Amino acid sequence: NAGVMQNPRHLVRRRGQEARLRCSPMKGHSHVYWYRQLPEEGLKFMVYLQKENIIDESGMPKERFSAEFPKEGPSILRIQQVVRGDSAAYFCASSPAAGLSEQYFGPGTRLTVT
Amino acid sequence: GENVEQHPSTLSVQEGDSAVIKCTYSDSASNYFPWYKQELGKGPQLIIDIRSNVGEKKDQRIAVTLNKTAKHFSLHITETQPEDSAVYFCAASAGSARQLTFGSGTQLTVLP
Repeated sequence: NAGVMQNPRHLVRRRGQEARLRCSPMKGHSHVYWYRQLPEEGLKFMVYLQKENIIDESGMPKERFSAEFPKEGPSILRIQQVVRGDSAAYFCASSPAAGLSEQYFGPGTRLTVT
Repeated sequence: GENVEQHPSTLSVQEGDSAVIKCTYSDSASNYFPWYKQELGKGPQLIIDIRSNVGEKKDQRIAVTLNKTAKHFSLHITETQPEDSAVYFCAASAGSARQLTFGSGTQLTVLP
């Protein structure tokens, strides 16, 4: 029973390039969340999606960041024109249902912007 | 919005002793409180959670208590082992919001 899968695990981008981070939720889970973790800090919520819908993007920066969860395939977090401050670990979590339910995290993608 | 504070930031205990980590939250609407363990280079692992309709929950060596009146909740680890060494995060969520608000983490070190 595979857990949440994220790829790539490590990603290096030069300033100005685009970063695409992928997340496949646990089997049977239709709710996906993205969080960002800066070095030595806790996790900060970015966006909550269900299939084909963005439910809550209150934690997403207004520019350069976007997320999608298409009907088929993984959820994608896209960062355009990356800057050094985007360097962080990006974690995806999934949960099985609406309402109060557990969120299970993937191993994360560590983005380094040079 | 919700604000979660976590103490202490670092905690060292001798193997076999107990460890206690405390969190406070600000939003009285929060009703779900999970705890995560994060090892170096890995994603957070859910270890225990509690909902607002109970005051205490236990799973083997791990227990969590919740005081809704005071808006604080705590993680208790008994008979600590070296493999318990990790960063522990508390979090809070109001059901309607769904997002988790995390504390800043506690680096627990269990000394053999």
